[in-house]
Amino acid sequence: AAGVIQSPRHLIKEKRETATLKCYPIPRHDTVYWYQQGPGQDPQFLISFYEKMQSDKGSIPDRFSAQQFSDYHSELNMSSLELGDSALYFCASSLRGASSYEQYFGPGTRLTVT
Amino acid sequence: AQSVTQPDIHITVSEGASLELRCNYSYGATPYLFWYVQSPGQGLQLLLKYFSGDTLVQGIKGFEAEFKRSQSSFNLRKPSVHWSDAAEYFCAVGASGQAGTALIFGKGTTLSVSS
Repeated sequence: AAGVIQSPRHLIKEKRETATLKCYPIPRHDTVYWYQQGPGQDPQFLISFYEKMQSDKGSIPDRFSAQQFSDYHSELNMSSLELGDSALYFCASSLRGASSYEQYFGPGTRLTVT
Repeated sequence: AQSVTQPDIHITVSEGASLELRCNYSYGATPYLFWYVQSPGQGLQLLLKYFSGDTLVQGIKGFEAEFKRSQSSFNLRKPSVHWSDAAEYFCAVGASGQAGTALIFGKGTTLSVSS
């Protein structure tokens, strides 16, 4: 079965640079979520989108922005990167409806800021 | 505010022994509860979920969990652990009654399996 695709899988950036992470949800899934997991931490919710509209917002820094496109893929844009942004970034997707709470996670993008 | 507590940071179980990982939640309404497993450097795999109905839910890989409203718990169990079960386990609750909203995770329990 098709899963959530994230690219790139690994990314190394320097402080103050920008980064763009991409997420391709499971086919027919219309809701996308972004989570950040620091080393040894639990995943923290950043933001979610349903039908290209922001659905919920968590602890996403103002330096970060995200959007969902007409094909339902999503991009997380990160600017003025800081050392503390080094983390595993997960995208998850779900299908609104009876199973809308069932989020399926991608493999993650490991971002290292040096 | 919603929260999830996993009291055990690290558990070691002998291969073939039974397993129970504890999860307690705080949520005002009917919770939507999940268990995810994460191998090192990997993504999160959904083991099982509880939305409503039968309080004992079956998941993949031989796992099950029981929802106990009176105890605000959703403990994960497996009758016989295999070495491949060694991983990080996260309990999570759906943050609100609306689709598209966040999952709130516990801090996780690391499971080690000894031979």
